[in-house]
Amino acid sequence: DTEVTQTPKHLVMGMTNKKSLKCEQHMGHRAMYWYKQKAKKPPELMFVYSYEKLSINESVPSRFSPECPNSSLLNLHLHALQPEDSALYLCASSQGLAGPYEQYFGPGTRLTVT
Amino acid sequence: GEDVEQSLFLSVREGDSSVINCTYTDSSSTYLYWYKQEPGAGLQLLTYIFSNMDMKQDQRLTVLLNKKDKHLSLRIADTQTGDSAIYFCAEKVTGGGNKLTFGTGTQLKVEL
Repeated sequence: DTEVTQTPKHLVMGMTNKKSLKCEQHMGHRAMYWYKQKAKKPPELMFVYSYEKLSINESVPSRFSPECPNSSLLNLHLHALQPEDSALYLCASSQGLAGPYEQYFGPGTRLTVT
Repeated sequence: GEDVEQSLFLSVREGDSSVINCTYTDSSSTYLYWYKQEPGAGLQLLTYIFSNMDMKQDQRLTVLLNKKDKHLSLRIADTQTGDSAIYFCAEKVTGGGNKLTFGTGTQLKVEL
């Protein structure tokens, strides 16, 4: 099973709303990632968790708040977003951080901020 | 900084071979990956190559790496309409955790 699942598939939210994106994997992977992808552009790394601890924060604005409640789950809490935050948000996981550990991606959540 | 460049667009006829190219600048790359992204979907890992290898073959896919020129290519044999997608190369560098730097992406269109 090499599946990473993400919910919801689509999300529309206003600039004053609070919402959360959810990611789940059952591959026993110990590293999980959030990426943001704009149309026709490559994914941009936002956060990396390793063994449930935040390992990398790519200077992401505080209106994005990641959480890793256990080794299988990764959340991204959203608050006071801007229209330019509309994008496809991708979650990925890998066995670890060192070595050739391939990252497996979920299908993404398409977020629209109105 | 790290820059990974790809040509934007490639069009081939069904049954022909496709070659997608990628150039990178960071000489401390350890692994290089190819991902496929279909419209509205996430990224699908196709294959990867360790930086001390020159070539890797996996069914219809052949990856060539020229480390001296920092050039990576993906050849898809007998290209099918289902291969139409955006293809991203990505590099992982020494000491970067598992951070990937993605290329700009190449849109492959397969015509009948």
